[in-house]
Amino acid sequence: DVVMTQSPLSLPVTLGQPASISCRSTQSLVYSDGNTYLNWFQQRPGQSPRRLIYKVSNRDSGVPDRFSGSGSGTDFTLKISRVEAEDVGVYYCMQGTHWPITFGQGTRLEIK
Amino acid sequence: QVQLVESGGGVVQPGRSLRLSCAASGFTFSSYGMHWVRQAPGKGLEWVAAISYAGSDKYYADSVKGRLTISRDNSKNTLYLQMNSLRAEDTAVYYCAKDSARYGGNPPRSGMDVWGQGTTVTVSS
Repeated sequence: DVVMTQSPLSLPVTLGQPASISCRSTQSLVYSDGNTYLNWFQQRPGQSPRRLIYKVSNRDSGVPDRFSGSGSGTDFTLKISRVEAEDVGVYYCMQGTHWPITFGQGTRLEIK
Repeated sequence: QVQLVESGGGVVQPGRSLRLSCAASGFTFSSYGMHWVRQAPGKGLEWVAAISYAGSDKYYADSVKGRLTISRDNSKNTLYLQMNSLRAEDTAVYYCAKDSARYGGNPPRSGMDVWGQGTTVTVSS
């Protein structure tokens, strides 16, 4: 199985400051159709997960533009340009290129 | 609006069975692959199973293969997870989730753009 490794696992951030989460895979996530099936999810406390980013860098509908995704191959990053209080929660990367689908272990973002 | 509502969770003894349901609304259910994803208490997300939009192809995590069965009834807009031979390690919140690709590939790999609220399964004697 493809292992997804996130860092850091805990991310204290001051309100209004940027934040960055890394996600690395043990195999390239480029699929035979040319797409890279790398998603980012946010799970706020007590809530279901919500997808933020699909195929590396595409924001889902309703996702604020302070969230951005980048990367290629095996290295990916989720960036928040200016952290707001509502961004507190756990963030997961997920790959769908190789089966089975696998998630990263999660990064907990908290306000410093 | 697009919605997924799970039901059927509860407390069950090891070795017993349970069936989860997920009622879909607000989108053309029969056009999308579907997933079950679980989250053990205090832990991260674990993909469990997926099914193609037509229901003809099913995929499982090794940890549940042979014990859990995913199915769907497109006439009822409902997804199911039949859980047999339950173990303590199956204790989790179970989420159903919609794959984002319409008539997506097999297996559905695009990721989950809609999630239910989850239903809790506790396996304990």
